[in-house]
Amino acid sequence: AQSVTQLDSQVPVFEEAPVELRCNYSSSVSVYLFWYVQYPNQGLQLLLKYLSGSTLVKGINGFEAEFNKSQTSFHLRKPSVHISDTAEYFCAVSDFDTDKLIFGTGTRLQVFP
Amino acid sequence: DAGVTQSPTHLIKTRGQQVTLRCSPKSGHDTVSWYQQALGQGPQFIFQYYEEEERQRGNFPDRFSGHQFPNYSSELNVNALLLGDSALYLCASSSLTSGASTDTQYFGPGTRLTVL
Repeated sequence: AQSVTQLDSQVPVFEEAPVELRCNYSSSVSVYLFWYVQYPNQGLQLLLKYLSGSTLVKGINGFEAEFNKSQTSFHLRKPSVHISDTAEYFCAVSDFDTDKLIFGTGTRLQVFP
Repeated sequence: DAGVTQSPTHLIKTRGQQVTLRCSPKSGHDTVSWYQQALGQGPQFIFQYYEEEERQRGNFPDRFSGHQFPNYSSELNVNALLLGDSALYLCASSSLTSGASTDTQYFGPGTRLTVL
């Protein structure tokens, strides 16, 4: 069975500072990896996904993530955050046989002016 | 192009009642998945429908059931509601015929269910 651990429940950061949101996963099989963002009172929006190939994945809104198989990690980064990036971020995995998403508990990114 | 839509937006029920939530997938999508997101938690997979059949199911009791219609829209039914069923219910659509598990799941805005 797969599982996802998001190591930080909250990450406060000032505007224009860099940020990293951490995600580790556990799986006995190869997986696909995803980051979703949830703005208040809204559904989930896909930021980026890793299926195969280059381990550095670029997504929307200037976010990127790096897949590290040896450390079973898929950390999300942005070099300079904006107030509008304030939201809940979820890391998720699915295996090759199903497209059922297994989510972490989320990280609340709070950007201060 | 309309995305995934869900109705109603909010719903208040009492314990023991039954509820039906509805989802219309994104245009061109044939697969609908349902997730439950409790307050402060990540979404948890309930089940998935494809070709009007339940394709896979998460760890949810039989009180949770669903249906998919020929136009690909879907319903989630919950019987004998418990206080613990209070959550945001999210619907996600994708296209299995376009490439199986690599296809992105697009989420709707959710239905907020409160059980009193």
